Amino acid sequence: AQSVSQHNHHVILSEAASLELGCNYSYGGTVNLFWYVQYPGQHLQLLLKYFSGDPLVKGIKGFEAEFIKSKFSFNLRKPSVQWSDTAEYFCAVSALNQAGTALIFGKGTTLSVSS
Amino acid sequence: KAGVTQTPRYLIKTRGQQVTLSCSPISGHRSVSWYQQTPGQGLQFLFEYFSETQRNKGNFPGRFSGRQFSNSRSEMNVSTLELGDSALYLCASSPESLGANEQFFGPGTRLTVL
Repeated sequence: AQSVSQHNHHVILSEAASLELGCNYSYGGTVNLFWYVQYPGQHLQLLLKYFSGDPLVKGIKGFEAEFIKSKFSFNLRKPSVQWSDTAEYFCAVSALNQAGTALIFGKGTTLSVSS
Repeated sequence: KAGVTQTPRYLIKTRGQQVTLSCSPISGHRSVSWYQQTPGQGLQFLFEYFSETQRNKGNFPGRFSGRQFSNSRSEMNVSTLELGDSALYLCASSPESLGANEQFFGPGTRLTVL
């Protein structure tokens, strides 16, 4: 069965610090990869996605992620965080050979940014 | 375009009751998925409907069921509620293609079982 693991449960940073959130998945076939963000009191929204092509993908609000196939990883990065980045971040995988678009999520990483 | 809408936003039920939650997808989206979000288990996939047919199912007991109507609106039902069913239930809609599309999430229905 597919699974997604996010290494950090809670990350605390000061503004302007760099961010890297780890995500690894277990699935042998072709996958689509996503990072979603849930700001306090708001809907889950897509930060970025990888389907194919350039393994370095850029998303909204200055976030980027790198897909490393050999490591089954899709880590999220941001060079300089802001207080407004305080949120919960979810990595998710969708397997291309499955019947449907179901997403398997990691358990999430809570990011707290202090000003 | 209007986003995914879910009703009701909050529900309080007691053990043993049943509950029905509703989801209206983004116009033109034919795939609707349901997820359960809890602090302990995170986001877990319940099931997906496409063209009124269940296309995919997660690992939940038969007390959890759903359906989709011809206008793509979907409902999920939980019978014989248990305390552990307290959660945020999220609906997500997606365009037609399999796999290679993002899902757009609604605000969720917060279910509390007493």
